[in-house]
Amino acid sequence: AQRVTQPEKLLSVFKGAPVELKCNYSYSGSPELFWYVQYSRQRLQLLLRHISRESIKGFTADLNKGETSFHLKKPFAQEEDSAMYYCASYSGAGSYQLTFGKGTKLSVIP
Amino acid sequence: EAGVVQSPRYKIIEKKQPVAFWCNPISGHNTLYWYRQNLGQGPELLIRYENEEAVDDSQLPKDRFSAERLKGVDSTLKIQPAELGDSAVYLCASSLDMTSNEQFFGPGTRLTVL
Repeated sequence: AQRVTQPEKLLSVFKGAPVELKCNYSYSGSPELFWYVQYSRQRLQLLLRHISRESIKGFTADLNKGETSFHLKKPFAQEEDSAMYYCASYSGAGSYQLTFGKGTKLSVIP
Repeated sequence: EAGVVQSPRYKIIEKKQPVAFWCNPISGHNTLYWYRQNLGQGPELLIRYENEEAVDDSQLPKDRFSAERLKGVDSTLKIQPAELGDSAVYLCASSLDMTSNEQFFGPGTRLTVL
């Protein structure tokens, strides 16, 4: 079964410091990977997807097939980045079942 | 546009009681998902609908859980009878269709079983 691993439950960084939220996946084919974010008292929402190769709110994520990773990065953290971040992956060809990691809580210290 | 609507937002029941959750997806979205999120975990898919057809219910505990989406729009998820371990947040999400890779989530229903 598809697995998505986020090794850190909590990550605290100072404002202006770089951020890297780690995500590893187990699917051996061509995965579709996403980062979802949940800000305090808001609903879960899509932050970015790897196929778009986009930068959203200063965040980027690169798919590394050799390391089966999809880490989320931002060069300078802002207080408003504090939230729960979930890495997610489609399970495989034709499945369309989204598998989520356990999430990492990012806390940006002023 | 209100987005995905869920009700109730909170529900507290005693074990062995029945409970139902309601979801109204974004207008025009054919695919509807029910997830369960336990404390400290990510959401886990329970069931996925394409219009009114349940196309993926392999994770739904069918002995006590049931779901329906009769007209391909609103959906109801039911638990009967509830157990202590069912305490969780139940999330509904929708997408344009099953190939759309963005799911839009509702606010969830937080269920507490005493």
